[in-house]
Amino acid sequence: DQQVKQNSPSLSVQEGRISILNCDYTNSMFDYFLWYKKYPAEGPTFLISISSIKDKNEDGRFTVFLNKSAKHLSLHIVPSQPGDSAVYFCAAKSPSGYALNFGKGTSLLVTP
Amino acid sequence: GAGVSQSPSNKVTEKGKDVELRCDPISGHTALYWYRQSLGQGLEFLIYFQGNSAPDKSGLPSDRFSAERTGGSVSTLTIQRTQQEDSAVYLCASSAGGFSGNTIYFGEGSWLTVV
Repeated sequence: DQQVKQNSPSLSVQEGRISILNCDYTNSMFDYFLWYKKYPAEGPTFLISISSIKDKNEDGRFTVFLNKSAKHLSLHIVPSQPGDSAVYFCAAKSPSGYALNFGKGTSLLVTP
Repeated sequence: GAGVSQSPSNKVTEKGKDVELRCDPISGHTALYWYRQSLGQGLEFLIYFQGNSAPDKSGLPSDRFSAERTGGSVSTLTIQRTQQEDSAVYLCASSAGGFSGNTIYFGEGSWLTVV
């Protein structure tokens, strides 16, 4: 049962534009959300996170928005750069555990 | 070491054989995780070790899978009598403590192909 869903398997954006990656979840008990970035043949690397008590967290070009009522979060990358081309995974954690629940990922391609 | 180290990076094995995958976490990290990613799927939690506590094995898909962590450091994931559906990338990760917002650092993974 997929508790974290990334419904867009791929996204293509022009360099300099905004990239918006979306993630939906079903478990209202999740208290922490993370985004990981993965290049081919490498392990995922942590990008940005947000606690469920917040609705926005910003780090440089990356901003994560959380809408708890809609059980939805999104990652905004502004401006997008070709080096941002990678697979982005959304992950969530429940307060009763420590295992992260991952989505299937969205492959972002930023074209020059 | 500087990061999470996994070996082998690639393994091709025949169906029915046993395989061992090794993970060397970041020095000083007490928490260690195993995940796997099958083709077209997200990362699937397998097992979690925290210090000297009993591991959480709730994600192991069958009794053919086992893992141990010796001396609170290196971990070995063993798959017995491998099946084709075991083909996946097996990712190890570590963190500085039990999850409290600490980031989890992943290794590059061990690519397992069962033929």
